[in-house]
Amino acid sequence: EPEVTQTPSHQVTQMGQEVILRCVPISNHLYFYWYRQILGQKVEFLVSFYNNEISEKSEIFDDQFSVERPDGSNFTLKIRSTKLEDSAMYFCASSEEALAGGPGNEQFFGPGTRLTVL
Amino acid sequence: RKEVEQDPGPFNVPEGATVAFNCTYSNSASQSFFWYRQDCRKEPKLLMSVYSSGNEDGRFTAQLNRASQYISLLIRDSKLSDSATYLCVVRRNYGQNFVFGPGTRLSVLP
Repeated sequence: EPEVTQTPSHQVTQMGQEVILRCVPISNHLYFYWYRQILGQKVEFLVSFYNNEISEKSEIFDDQFSVERPDGSNFTLKIRSTKLEDSAMYFCASSEEALAGGPGNEQFFGPGTRLTVL
Repeated sequence: RKEVEQDPGPFNVPEGATVAFNCTYSNSASQSFFWYRQDCRKEPKLLMSVYSSGNEDGRFTAQLNRASQYISLLIRDSKLSDSATYLCVVRRNYGQNFVFGPGTRLSVLP
């Protein structure tokens, strides 16, 4: 069964450093997402991406964040200058479609990257 | 008011019990509804989409009441492996992001 994969599984970094989190969405999916989950809290939306551009982003996704699809398979999240409060689990997700209420708009999540900022 | 609210839990039930989870959402424009389960420190996994007519998948039954903006999940004959946090997820008709509820933790006890 196809699945979303993410690397690394755990990233430890110093405050102020740049990190890049990588994701390989399911191959026939067209819509890609990043979410984060701070330990003990709910899953929060960061950004959605379609056709090589951001289609929606949340307030959390400020100028320190960027996303890219550098090739036909990878989808990356970059945090330019990490802060302590960026420590969280980051989940990548993908879906076939994005039309609400329609088939194929279920999102499938990768196993996550645990980011620890020291 | 939070956009998606769920029973705070935790629910501790014996094996074989029937357990029901409730979820309410505040945005009447919401169009898609889902239940996900999340094991400790793992990713959310799709349990089932929720349709207006209600739907069933084995021991799991989901119901949607648009008038009351309410979603439910019923688990019958609960198993030890059902122990997890159950996430109510709502998507508006505009935008693509999912709005997650805080989750309800279920522990099924032997």
